[in-house]
Amino acid sequence: DIQMTQSPSSLSASVGDRVTITCRASQSISSYLNWYQQKPGKAPKLLIYAASSLQSGVPSRFSGSGSGTDFTLTISSLQPEDFATYYCQQSYSTLGYTFGQGTKLEIK
Amino acid sequence: QITLKESGPTLVKPTQTLTLTCTFSGFSLSTSGVGVGWIRQPPGKALEWLALIYWNDDKRYSPSLKSRLTITKDTSKNQVVLTMTNMDPVDTATYYCAHHYYGSGSLYWGQGTLVTVSS
Repeated sequence: DIQMTQSPSSLSASVGDRVTITCRASQSISSYLNWYQQKPGKAPKLLIYAASSLQSGVPSRFSGSGSGTDFTLTISSLQPEDFATYYCQQSYSTLGYTFGQGTKLEIK
Repeated sequence: QITLKESGPTLVKPTQTLTLTCTFSGFSLSTSGVGVGWIRQPPGKALEWLALIYWNDDKRYSPSLKSRLTITKDTSKNQVVLTMTNMDPVDTATYYCAHHYYGSGSLYWGQGTLVTVSS
C-alpha cells in the first residue's frame, strides 16, 4: 500500500506569510493527489485536486504542484481563516486512497 | 444540491459489528466516475481512509482494515453501507461518508457521526 508522509507535522506562521507544506508518496502516484483543509469539528474541505487544480471557490492564494512522489501545497499570503490542519490524499492506488498524517498550521 | 448523511449506532460494544449507512441526494451512484467513500477520524487524530465504492461496483479498501470491512451500494435507495466487524475501543472515531469523483478528490462530505466503542 502507498504511504503518504507530510512535512512538517506542525507549523507556526504569521498573517501574510508564505507557507509551503510538502507531501511525499512512497511510490509514484502520477498526479492523483488531493489537498484538504480541516477546521476543528468540521468535515474536511477540498482545496486542490489532481495535484494542481484549484477547486472552484477556493481562494487563489492556495496552489498545488508536483507529480510522481513529491508534492507541495503553497499558501501565498496567509489569512486568519487559513489556520487549520491540512491533509494530502492519494487517489491513485487500487488498494485504497490514503491520507497523510496532517499538518497543523498555527498562528505565531 | 449534493448532500450526504451518515446514520448508525453511536455506541457499540467490543467485538460487535458496526453497520453505517450513508444516505445521499443530488447525484446518482450509477453515473460514470462517481463514488462514495468512508473516512474516519479518532478524537484529536488524523483522517483515516477506509473504503470506497464506485458507480461500476469497483470497491477499494484500506489494506490494513480490509479483512474487517465490507462496502455495498443500493443505487435505488441512494445509500451506501459500510460494515466493520470485530469492533475495538481503538475504532472509536467520527465516521464520515463523502462523494468522490474518479481522478478528483472528495468535494462533498457528510457531517460525520461519532461512534464510541465501549462495554
